[in-house]
Amino acid sequence: KQEVTQIPAALSVPEGENLVLNCSFTDSAIYNLQWFRQDPGKGLTSLLLIQSSQREQTSGRLNASLDKSSGRSTLYIAASQPGDSATYLCAVRRTGGSYIPTFGRGTSLIVHP
Amino acid sequence: SQTIHQWPATLVQPVGSPLSLECTVEGTSNPNLYWYRQAAGRGLQLLFYSVGIGQISSEVPQNLSASRPQDRQFILSSKKLLLSDSGFYLCAWRRPGGGGPGYEQYFGPGTRLTVT
Repeated sequence: KQEVTQIPAALSVPEGENLVLNCSFTDSAIYNLQWFRQDPGKGLTSLLLIQSSQREQTSGRLNASLDKSSGRSTLYIAASQPGDSATYLCAVRRTGGSYIPTFGRGTSLIVHP
Repeated sequence: SQTIHQWPATLVQPVGSPLSLECTVEGTSNPNLYWYRQAAGRGLQLLFYSVGIGQISSEVPQNLSASRPQDRQFILSSKKLLLSDSGFYLCAWRRPGGGGPGYEQYFGPGTRLTVT
């Protein structure tokens, strides 16, 4: 059974710092991995999706990398801003079968002005 | 472009009352549809998913049920709510088929359910 872990559970940093959020998974037979952000009381917003054949994806100040063999993905946030404050979740889809992703519990990020 | 709607946004219901939450998707055909629950202090729990009209798979046994009467409509129901049904209910969709860019999972705004 796939297990997805996100460390740290919470993070508080001053504005301007570069950040790395971690996502690890136990079964490397994955099809893709997707990063989301969730603002309090809101739905999840898709940030980046990495297919298993890819090593990284970039969108603006965000860069997500994938190392399937070691069961890890990182989300790099450059020059953090208070507007980046949110909970960040990763979800992993296994190969084969229906598309049922396994979610981590998220990292709660606070960026102080 | 595609959009996903959920209603109501918030709901307060007494124990034992029925429940009906609705989710609709616009701008796509034959989407995969999902119902999740997010309880306080817990992760995202998949409740149901559907790959087509009338095709529902349940991931967790509970007093909830789901239906897909139309291609882009997904309904979550209960005949009698329990206190433990309180939570944040999220509907999601994705295009069927591939797994690369363009096949992301997208979420609705959610329904906050409080059972009293």
